[in-house]
Amino acid sequence: ETGVTQSPTHLIKTRGQQVTLRCSSQSGHNTVSWYQQALGQGPQFIFQYYREEENGRGNFPPRFSGLQFPNYSSELNVNALELDDSALYLCASSSPGTEIKAFFGQGTRLTVV
Amino acid sequence: RKEVEQDPGPFNVPEGATVAFNCTYSNSASQSFFWYRQDCRKEPKLLMSVYSSGNEDGRFTAQLNRASQYISLLIRDSKLSDSATYLCVVGPGSYIPTFGRGTSLIVHP
Repeated sequence: ETGVTQSPTHLIKTRGQQVTLRCSSQSGHNTVSWYQQALGQGPQFIFQYYREEENGRGNFPPRFSGLQFPNYSSELNVNALELDDSALYLCASSSPGTEIKAFFGQGTRLTVV
Repeated sequence: RKEVEQDPGPFNVPEGATVAFNCTYSNSASQSFFWYRQDCRKEPKLLMSVYSSGNEDGRFTAQLNRASQYISLLIRDSKLSDSATYLCVVGPGSYIPTFGRGTSLIVHP
C-alpha cells in the first residue's frame, strides 16, 4: 500500500457534465500530480500542485482544473466532459525534487457516455 | 516523433527466459530515467532507477545509453509474476516526467 488514496474508484458521467475526483496524498508528501491514462497508453501528465499552487501543467485544456488543500489532499475537476475524457485518472504524491519517484493511488476509472 | 517510445509488445516468453526491453527518448537534455511496472487495471509502481553506470536489482538490470538516447531493462530467469506492463519514464530533471506507452510482458509456464 502506497498510502495514496483516490475516490471514487469508478464513475460514469454523461457528456457535458462536470466531475470532481479526489486524492489524499501519502503522509509527508506535499506535492501532488495528476495523470490521465487512456487504454493502452502511458500516463499523461495533467498538472502538479505544490503548497496549494499549480506548479506545472501538461498539454490539457483549461476545463481541466485542480486544487490542493492545506493538508496536501487534492481535487481534479473536469468541466464539459467529452467522450475522449474516458480514462483512468491517477494521482501521485511525492516530495519536492523527487516527483519522478512518485507513489500512485489506485486511480479513478471515469467513463463518459 | 514521440518524446518517449516503447514497443508495446506483447513479449511472450516462457518461464526462466531472459527478456529485454528498450525505450528511446528524443530530448537529449533528459536527466532522470526510471522503469515502472503496471499490473492489469492497477496503478504504476516504481521498479527501479536507471543510472549511466547501469544498475542491478536481483534479476533486473537497467542501463542507460546517452549517446543513442535509449534505456533498457533486462529481466533474467523470468517468473510468471513478472507478467505486467513495463513503463519507462524520462524527465528533464525530476520534474514533469514523460511516460512511454509501456511494453507488455507475458510469461507463460
